Amino acid sequence: DIQMTQSPSSLSASLGDRVTITCRASQGISNYLAWFQQKPGKAPKSLIYAASSLQSGVPSKFSGSGSGTDFTLTISSLQPEDFATYYCQQYNSYPYTFGQGTKLEIK
Amino acid sequence: EVQLLESGGGLVQPGGSLRLSCAASGFTFSNYAMSWVRQAPGKGLEWVSALSGSGGNTYYADSVKGRFTISRDNSKNTLYLQMSSLRAEDTALYFCARLVGYWGQGTLVTVSS
Repeated sequence: DIQMTQSPSSLSASLGDRVTITCRASQGISNYLAWFQQKPGKAPKSLIYAASSLQSGVPSKFSGSGSGTDFTLTISSLQPEDFATYYCQQYNSYPYTFGQGTKLEIK
Repeated sequence: EVQLLESGGGLVQPGGSLRLSCAASGFTFSNYAMSWVRQAPGKGLEWVSALSGSGGNTYYADSVKGRFTISRDNSKNTLYLQMSSLRAEDTALYFCARLVGYWGQGTLVTVSS
């Protein structure tokens, strides 16, 4: 199985900051990588697919990059609604696996 | 608009069974693989199972293999998850998903005596 490791596990940032979350796969997954945002008590929301493609309706402040084993999610100009938990997921091969999540908190 | 609506969750005793359903609308259901993903209280997301659009190929996480069965009825645009031999560690919010774009709101399964 492919293991997905996110870092950091938690992150404190201020309004207006730019932050980067990293996701590493235990083996190459090409660009079959998605990013999700989840707020407490809510279903995950899809942000990015194919490592760098923005889902329809997602603001351009979210961006993804990477290929192979190393990926990043960058969020610019943090606003109150961006504070949430973020997950990566590989869909290169079953079982599709998630990272452990990164909790983004207000400093 | 794509919509996924789960149902069937509830309280069940250890060793019991439960069947979850996911009603899909807003897209050609039979064209898409579908997945179940779960989230235990206070924990991260765990992919559980997936099924190809035709229903011919199934995939399971090791944690549920042999106990859970995924299926679909393309005439009813509905995805199912039959869960048996349930354990306390299966307690979670179960999401239906058309990965990587769309998620339902989830249905809660609690396994407890």
